[in-house]
Amino acid sequence: KQEVTQIPAALSVPEGENLVLNCSFTDSAIYNLQWFRQDPGKGLTSLLLIQSSQREQTSGRLNASLDKSSGRSTLYIAASQPGDSATYLCALNTGFQKLVFGTGTRLLVSP
Amino acid sequence: NAGVTQTPKFQVLKTGQSMTLQCAQDMNHEYMSWYRQDPGMGLRLIHYSVGAGITDQGEVPNGYNVSRSTTEDFPLRLLSAAPSQTSVYFCASSYGTDTQYFGPGTRLTVL
Repeated sequence: KQEVTQIPAALSVPEGENLVLNCSFTDSAIYNLQWFRQDPGKGLTSLLLIQSSQREQTSGRLNASLDKSSGRSTLYIAASQPGDSATYLCALNTGFQKLVFGTGTRLLVSP
Repeated sequence: NAGVTQTPKFQVLKTGQSMTLQCAQDMNHEYMSWYRQDPGMGLRLIHYSVGAGITDQGEVPNGYNVSRSTTEDFPLRLLSAAPSQTSVYFCASSYGTDTQYFGPGTRLTVL
């Protein structure tokens, strides 16, 4: 059974810092990996999607990498802002678009 | 495009009552799915569909029924609500192995 772990569970940083969120998984047989953002009481917003054959994806200040051989993905956030405060979730597509989620990293960026 | 819509936003039920959570998408997506989100458990897959007329069970299907008579709609039925079904329910849709889009969620409380 695929298991997904996100470390750290919570992170507090001052504005402007660069930071890395980690996602590890136990089964490398995945179709893709997706990073989401969730604001309190809201739905999920997709940030980046990395297909199984890709190594990384970039969007603005966000960069996500995927290393299937080691079962790891990282989400890099450059020059963090208070508006980046949210919970970040990684999810693995195990086939038929079925997602297995990690429990998330709760990020707080202080002004 | 409205994207993925869910109704109702909030619902309170008594134990034993039945209800249907509605989900609709206007993006002509073939894949649709239902997840529940519980504190400390993350999001878990309830049921999913790979196209009209085709559904299958996810990780936590007990107590829930689904059907997919059209591409656009994917309702989730609670047959006899139990307090253990108190949760936030999210519907998602996607095309192929592309980005998955989530609805705003339904907060359900079963007393």
